[in-house]
Amino acid sequence: GQNIDQPTEMTATEGAIVQINCTYQTSGFNGLFWYQQHAGEAPTFLSYNVLDGLEEKGRFSSFLSRSKGYSYLLLKELQMKDSASYLCAVRVPMDSSYKLIFGSGTRLLVRP
Amino acid sequence: DVKVTQSSRYLVKRTGEKVFLECVQDMDHENMFWYRQDPGLGLRLIYFSYDVKMKEKGDIPEGYSVSREKKERFSLILESASTNQTSMYLCASSIGAPEEQFFGPGTRLTVL
Repeated sequence: GQNIDQPTEMTATEGAIVQINCTYQTSGFNGLFWYQQHAGEAPTFLSYNVLDGLEEKGRFSSFLSRSKGYSYLLLKELQMKDSASYLCAVRVPMDSSYKLIFGSGTRLLVRP
Repeated sequence: DVKVTQSSRYLVKRTGEKVFLECVQDMDHENMFWYRQDPGLGLRLIYFSYDVKMKEKGDIPEGYSVSREKKERFSLILESASTNQTSMYLCASSIGAPEEQFFGPGTRLTVL
């Protein structure tokens, strides 16, 4: 089966650091994506990890451990505009192609 | 600038009606996808297409069909709408590996 787990909600303070975890058990693995989705809007791509380790992109970093089936998204210097849902997705093989399996998303609320 | 557009942001239909949701991308992408997004369930793949006139079933294809007559356009068809198809429908496209997907703004469909 395919399973991706993320916390449902998190709250953090403006200026702080927050870590959003994602664990997965999937049939095959070909990369892990993080997307940001503001309420009523389309998801937008944040990061992609296929090898173990940390990928840093400005205030956002994403970490992957394939042996543990684990990833996290780290947001630094939180801003009010970071209030959004964060979606973890794993790319898995499907027939002759690939597909993304999404977690349910983590709703992050940034408070002043 | 990358652009995926969907024909309607909000749609209200009656049970039994045939419903067409249109998606157009202007990025010359090979791959196109249809998802539905429901609270607590995340994004679930309905159908995808990796070439004109090609289609592949996703995880929840029952009650849906698709059409891809032109590279830029991917249509989702609900042959006979039912109330359990009330949902947010998201279209996405990608060029290939690592398959960052670009999403449209979504269509919120209500079936009464």
